[in-house]
Amino acid sequence: DGGITQSPKYLFRKEGQNVTLSCEQNLNHDAMYWYRQDPGQGLRLIYYSQIVNDFQKGDIAEGYSVSREKKESFPLTVTSAQKNPTAFYLCASSTDRSTEAFFGQGTRLTVV
Amino acid sequence: AQSVTQLGSHVSVSEGALVLLRCNYSSSVPPYLFWYVQYPNQGLQLLLKYTTGATLVKGINGFEAEFKKSETSFHLTKPSAHMSDAAEYFCAVSDPYAGKSTFGDGTTLTVKP
Repeated sequence: DGGITQSPKYLFRKEGQNVTLSCEQNLNHDAMYWYRQDPGQGLRLIYYSQIVNDFQKGDIAEGYSVSREKKESFPLTVTSAQKNPTAFYLCASSTDRSTEAFFGQGTRLTVV
Repeated sequence: AQSVTQLGSHVSVSEGALVLLRCNYSSSVPPYLFWYVQYPNQGLQLLLKYTTGATLVKGINGFEAEFKKSETSFHLTKPSAHMSDAAEYFCAVSDPYAGKSTFGDGTTLTVKP
């Protein structure tokens, strides 16, 4: 079945450590996105990519980094520079910039 | 620039009652509009979308929404609520030229027996 797979579902890290969240899609979508979700704040865009080897900062990119070396994969690294990394992270993809997004099941990151 | 305002962070209805979730948007270009649903600890799932054409859009699970350009609104309705409709709902606006969507803060729907 086609879809988006995020792993792991739950992730615990110590403060000051970098951590990478995985996102893989087999939908053959060109565009991929990373969102952060905090209670009562909806979804905020971190980074997005419209094509392989290219990506743009979203609204809250500070403290995060991404790569897009393959069409299927768009990993997100939460660096130690992110002041408050504990959140629910959602990856999404779409066929192009105007269509609906398909979401993964999310990764809940807790920094202790 | 684009933005979305969802009126009411929490809405409670009785089972069988009308569901109305409000969404107003701002966009400098003709928008594409979406409603998504999210169940606890899961990703978002598309309910319905408006791109062009008919302004009354029907989606899954009996939901529908009407695009009203003059009111810059895209409210979500369902004639009769079911217990399984309890979830968080997000309205989103997409600027096809910008290549990204902006989401509202979400509305949590509670359905009382």
